[in-house]
Amino acid sequence: IAGITQAPTSQILAAGRRMTLRCTQDMRHNAMYWYRQDLGLGLRLIHYSNTAGTTGKGEVPDGYSVSRANTDDFPLTLASAVPSQTSVYFCASSDGLYTGELFFGEGSRLTVL
Amino acid sequence: GENVEQHPSTLSVQEGDSAVIKCTYSDSASNYFPWYKQELGKRPQLIIDIRSNVGEKKDQRIAVTLNKTAKHFSLHITETQPEDSAVYFCAASIGTGGFKTIFGAGTRLFVKA
Repeated sequence: IAGITQAPTSQILAAGRRMTLRCTQDMRHNAMYWYRQDLGLGLRLIHYSNTAGTTGKGEVPDGYSVSRANTDDFPLTLASAVPSQTSVYFCASSDGLYTGELFFGEGSRLTVL
Repeated sequence: GENVEQHPSTLSVQEGDSAVIKCTYSDSASNYFPWYKQELGKRPQLIIDIRSNVGEKKDQRIAVTLNKTAKHFSLHITETQPEDSAVYFCAASIGTGGFKTIFGAGTRLFVKA
């Protein structure tokens, strides 16, 4: 049972480069989310998707884009990375219908130099 | 949008004592309030949640209370143990599916043996 898988686990990236963080879930959950975690700021919602084919902006969407072509995958793209995007990124999912529990991936640590 | 404030940011207690973490939220439409525990280097995991039609919920040594009028909710841990040491996050969302769950900034709990 995999749950949610994120890749890469860790990445160092030059400023200005494009980067896609991958997220795949095998729980057939309707909703998926991307959060960034910074010290002292908790988990901040970047983008979310309530169901395949739809996406929405969270608290800190600028500089990020997402797509939800199918139920299982929810990639997060940084079109032109900047140092302030250095963070730990967590993908999460929930069934979106009966329970609000979020299931998180293991996180992707991104460093932008 | 929703805003969740959490206090204190750091809490240190002696083993066996109780710990209380408090949160406030801004959106009166929020009706689902989960609490997550994140151990060092791990992903956040749900430990307890409460819905707006309930004022209190208990699970062994953990209890949550909710005051919808004041938009306050709290986590109470009794008989704390060293393994309770972690970062705790409160959160709020609207609806039953966990959509757009917004987190507080977190409380780092230290339980001293």
